[in-house]
Parts: sequence; C-alpha cells; structure tokens
Amino acid sequence: AQSVTQPDIHITVSEGASLELRCNYSYGATPYLFWYVQSPGQGLQLLLKYFSGDTLVQGIKGFEAEFKRSQSSFNLRKPSVHWSDAAEYFCAVGIPSGFQKLVFGTGTRLLVSP
Amino acid sequence: NAGVTQTPKFQVLKTGQSMTLQCAQDMNHNSMYWYRQDPGMGLRLIYYSASEGTTDKGEVPNGYNVSRLNKREFSLRLESAAPSQTSVYFCASSGSGNNEKLFFGSGTQLSVL
Repeated sequence: AQSVTQPDIHITVSEGASLELRCNYSYGATPYLFWYVQSPGQGLQLLLKYFSGDTLVQGIKGFEAEFKRSQSSFNLRKPSVHWSDAAEYFCAVGIPSGFQKLVFGTGTRLLVSP
Repeated sequence: NAGVTQTPKFQVLKTGQSMTLQCAQDMNHNSMYWYRQDPGMGLRLIYYSASEGTTDKGEVPNGYNVSRLNKREFSLRLESAAPSQTSVYFCASSGSGNNEKLFFGSGTQLSVL
C-alpha cells in the first residue's frame, strides 16, 4: 500500500523568505502526487498535482513542486512567502484505480513571521 | 457556486447517540468520499463511493455507515457515537478518472462526550 511522510510538523518562515516543505512517498510504481493546502476552518484546496511528464510542476499561488523518483520525494517550494500562505499543507499520493482514492500525509503547519 | 456542502458545521453528541452527517455536491461528480481529520494523523479515508449505487470501505470504516442516496448526496452515519469518533469530518467529491482533483466541503466539527 502507498504511504506518505511529511517529516516536518511545523515550519516557521519569515515573510519574503523562500520555503520548502518536504514530502516522501512509498509506492511501487510511479504514483500520482498532490499538494493540498488547508486554511483555518476550511476544507482542503488543491495546489498542484503530478501525473507524468515534466518533473517540475507549477501550481496556484506561486507554488511549485519537483518530483524526484530517485529520492521518492515531491517537495513543495515557493521563492517568496507571503503572510497569507500561513496554513497547513498536505502531501498526498494516489494510485491508478479509476477514481481518486488518496492517502494523505500528516501535514506541515506553516507559520509566517513578520 | 456551492461546490460541496456539508451539514451540520458543528455537533456535540453524548456517547451512544446516533447522528447522520449530510453531504451534497452540485458538480455532477461521480465519486464522493468521507474523510476524518485528527491532529497529527492527517486525513484518513472512512468510506468512498466511486459512483452512484456503490460504496466501499476506506482505511477507518469501523463505527460508520454510509449511503449514496443519489448522485448528489452521500451521507455518513454514526450509529452509536464513541469519544474516539471526536474529529473533524470532511466530505469530498471528484470526477471520474485518476487525474481528477478532490473538492472538499468545509468540514463538520464533531465532539462526542
């Protein structure tokens, strides 16, 4: 079965600084990979997804992620963090099953300091 | 622009009480899901419905039942609530296929005393 590890529970970044959130997955074949963001009191919103092709994926709100098969990683990056990026971020892995059945990581809470 | 609508937003139950969480989507999606979110554990799939008329267990189905009433609606029932079911519950929906993103409702905060 597939699994996802997000090793950082909390990360604090200064506004304007760069950000990288780590995600490692376990799956026997090439997985489908996703990053979702959850603002306080809200449901999750898709930031970006990877299925195949270019390993550098661009998403909404200036986020990008890079799929590295050799490291089983799909890290999320942003060059300059804004205060509104403070939220919880979830990495998820899906498998080809005819519909979208995902396994989520435990999440990383991003705090943005002035 | 409703998307996925969940009711209620908040609920407090006593141990042993029953209740049903309602979910409806207006995007004509085939697939619907119920997740629970607990601190430090991320989201875990309770039940899902790949299409109207079908339901299947997810990772943590014990203590829950579901009904896919029609294409729009997917309800989650707790027959005899337990404190371990205190959680935030999210309904989601998606179109068919592997590359469809999930659309989430805003969640139901459930406390079982």
